[in-house]
Amino acid sequence: QKEVEQNSGPLSVPEGAIASLNCTYSDRGSQSFFWYRQYSGKSPELIMFIYSNGDKEDGRFTAQLNKASQYVSLLIRDSQPSDSATYLCAGSPSTNFGNEKLTFGTGTRLTIIP
Amino acid sequence: GAVVSQHPSRVICKSGTSVKIECRSLDFQATTMFWYRQFPKQSLMLMATSNEGSKATYEQGVEKDKFLINHASLTLSTLTVTSAHPEDSSFYICSASPPGDQPQHFGDGTRLSIL
Repeated sequence: QKEVEQNSGPLSVPEGAIASLNCTYSDRGSQSFFWYRQYSGKSPELIMFIYSNGDKEDGRFTAQLNKASQYVSLLIRDSQPSDSATYLCAGSPSTNFGNEKLTFGTGTRLTIIP
Repeated sequence: GAVVSQHPSRVICKSGTSVKIECRSLDFQATTMFWYRQFPKQSLMLMATSNEGSKATYEQGVEKDKFLINHASLTLSTLTVTSAHPEDSSFYICSASPPGDQPQHFGDGTRLSIL
């Protein structure tokens, strides 16, 4: 069974600190990974995606992928109260992921404390 | 950026009613769209993959006769929950990917409440 696992949290981080969100996956065939942010009562919105080993940075966000350890993470620098949300990790079996199914983790609830 | 529109945003209706939800890609053509369901405090569960011009592919455990999917054009997919019951109350979300191997973008979701 293909699974993506996340610590459900809640994870509390002081404002201005670095929030670290982690995700592991069991299917070695997974190639691409996505981080979505979901505010309460809203639909998910894409934060970042990554398919190469290493780090990928976009503003305050850095995604990290380690395929050998089957581990994906999202770092949020200078955390803001508006970052408080549930973060969903998802995996795809392809680097040509446009029309491929995603497998979602259960999400980590992040709270930024002012 | 890519926009996926979903309508209606909220539906409240009586048990036994059939409800249609629309998902539109506003600025791109989508041969494939996805339908998800999310119960409170749970993650997204893929229900089916909607394919333009052909039958939808349903995930295991999802009743295709209850959740009818029609992808009649490259910009519109519809999900009809037939004879809805209280246990069908959930947050239904569609997604689509713009051309060129872009990630999936989600519609705003439809909150369905069956009384």
